[in-house]
Amino acid sequence: GQNIDQPTEMTATEGAIVQINCTYQTSGFNGLFWYQQHAGEAPTFLSYNVLDGLEEKGRFSSFLSRSKGYSYLLLKELQMKDSASYLCAVADSNYQLIWGAGTKLIIKP
Amino acid sequence: NAGVTQTPKFRILKIGQSMTLQCAQDMNHNYMYWYRQDPGMGLKLIYYSVGAGITDKGEVPNGYNVSRSTTEDFPLRLELAAPSQTSVYFCASSYSSTSGTVETQYFGPGTRLLVL
Repeated sequence: GQNIDQPTEMTATEGAIVQINCTYQTSGFNGLFWYQQHAGEAPTFLSYNVLDGLEEKGRFSSFLSRSKGYSYLLLKELQMKDSASYLCAVADSNYQLIWGAGTKLIIKP
Repeated sequence: NAGVTQTPKFRILKIGQSMTLQCAQDMNHNYMYWYRQDPGMGLKLIYYSVGAGITDKGEVPNGYNVSRSTTEDFPLRLELAAPSQTSVYFCASSYSSTSGTVETQYFGPGTRLLVL
């Protein structure tokens, strides 16, 4: 079967750095997405990785290792507004997205 | 651009009732999707469409129907509501110029449905 694993919840301090991991087992791989979802709102796109390595976009970076079936989202200089759920999704061999359950990130002052 | 819009925002249904969840996008996207999101679970694909007149089942299509008569609109129909359909429903759209590519999906604000 297809499976995406992420930690359920993480806590970090304002101004710090946090790494959210995602491991996947899917039938085929056509890229990995990270989305941010604030409570009661729609998911919004953060990043897309299809090749191994690190993609940096401001305070957010995303890393992919296809051989290990592993990705992480790195958030630097955490702000209170970063409190949200972070969803990992993998495009499978049919180009359909398989979604993880999301990681709820709690930022404390 | 309004992006992806959904109506209603919230609805309570009785078991056995039917309703249509509306979704529209003004970005000229060819792909549209319906997902449901249950607490502690990932988004599950219900139906998707690659263009007007073309729809296909996703992972959890039972109890739902869709149509795509125009590029802009992609309504989701629940014929006989059941408590298991209590969920948050998200519509999304994306643009793909060629088949076999993965593009960013843009989501509507969601419809929260409670079936009692």
